[in-house]
Amino acid sequence: DSGVTQTPKHLITATGQRVTLRCSPRSGDLSVYWYQQSLDQGLQFLIQYYNGEERAKGNILERFSAQQFPDLHSELNLSSLELGDSALYFCASSYSPDRAPQETQYFGPGTRLLVL
Amino acid sequence: AQTVTQSQPEMSVQEAETVTLSCTYDTSESDYYLFWYKQPPSRQMILVIRQEAYKQQNATENRFSVNFQKAAKSFSLKISDSQLGDAAMYFCAYSLMNYGGSQGNLIFGKGTKLSVKP
Repeated sequence: DSGVTQTPKHLITATGQRVTLRCSPRSGDLSVYWYQQSLDQGLQFLIQYYNGEERAKGNILERFSAQQFPDLHSELNLSSLELGDSALYFCASSYSPDRAPQETQYFGPGTRLLVL
Repeated sequence: AQTVTQSQPEMSVQEAETVTLSCTYDTSESDYYLFWYKQPPSRQMILVIRQEAYKQQNATENRFSVNFQKAAKSFSLKISDSQLGDAAMYFCAYSLMNYGGSQGNLIFGKGTKLSVKP
């Protein structure tokens, strides 16, 4: 158990719908990362938050958005869903002290999204 | 842009034998990390081993060790005394060495599927 939790584990929805994926980082971790794993694109970085602020963006579609709340949990919102959005979505967290390098990212179990 | 390449889509090893998985990367940065993550059929991403680029000594974790060749930008994983539980997808990954929440995302290779034969 990595200490990172994600809900729900599975999500089945229809095209055009909107879903929210939730992530709770390990206790004390300020950085949260979202990744998408699909058959054709592999593992891709979507977005990074640090202590409530967006810090980096990867290949995240405009239909997708995220935020990190004061209690440090994060949500990834996916809207106007398409068949191609079906994937495994991972959240990872790490401890990122100001004056020392970031520590290892630990992954949650993922949310498996199926868009029908 | 940084890239990570795993040239072996699939590998197979006999139980108790040794296998080496290859990874090359491209970066113009001098401070970075390299990782091997394991993804078993459960799809959980599990850290296997981590290497800091500034360290000359190769990282080891029990049966797992790496051969880090910084000049050649090569980072291979050696699994000794392979066990049935080692069967999984293995991903090589790179990240910048970052501080205080600056950009530190992982860049992954496409993975190597390792099978272990009894």
